[in-house]
Amino acid sequence: DGGITQSPKYLFRKEGQNVTLSCEQNLNHDAMYWYRQDPGQGLRLIYYSQIVNDFQKGDIAEGYSVSREKKESFPLTVTSAQKNPTAFYLCASSMVGTQYFGPGTRLTVL
Amino acid sequence: GESVGLHLPTLSVQEGDNSIINCAYSNSASDYFIWYKQESGKGPQFIIDIRSNMDKRQGQRVTVLLNKTVKHLSLQIAATQPGDSAVYFCAEKTGGGNKLTFGTGTQLKVEL
Repeated sequence: DGGITQSPKYLFRKEGQNVTLSCEQNLNHDAMYWYRQDPGQGLRLIYYSQIVNDFQKGDIAEGYSVSREKKESFPLTVTSAQKNPTAFYLCASSMVGTQYFGPGTRLTVL
Repeated sequence: GESVGLHLPTLSVQEGDNSIINCAYSNSASDYFIWYKQESGKGPQFIIDIRSNMDKRQGQRVTVLLNKTVKHLSLQIAATQPGDSAVYFCAEKTGGGNKLTFGTGTQLKVEL
């Protein structure tokens, strides 16, 4: 069953904690992306990776970190430096052009 | 679920009617465009795409029209069904990389 998986579906964080969101794909895509979605706004790019062991900051990278040690995996860490982390987080992957999305993780800060 | 439609423009149509959702894109150098559908609490799903060397492309019950002169993209859904209710947004790609720029979306509501 091919596709992109994200876990967990819901995540709760206390202020001051770091949390890591998982994203895995078995589509053999080279590029992977993390977006943040807030109500009434378009998707905003946090980080992206075109190839293993390489990644670049997107438009809103502050307070986030990523790694790309394997082609299939692109985890996102939301650090305590992110002041407003409550949002819906979407992971995507692509070969050329079209990006395909995972089901998302809803992060809530308590 | 996620209220991704909060504060978004809304299009209400009767079941069986045709829907037209519009998108104004920002960059005249964009060469590739995609329409996505997002149901509440879920990730966006690819619907249809079009390259800038085309002005129309048809899929199953959907048609995308591209007007480069006025930088306008539209998605037409034929015989709209209740399952079409969702937020629809466009995305554009500019240049040789894979990065996309996304619109804010339109909430489509299908009335029975």
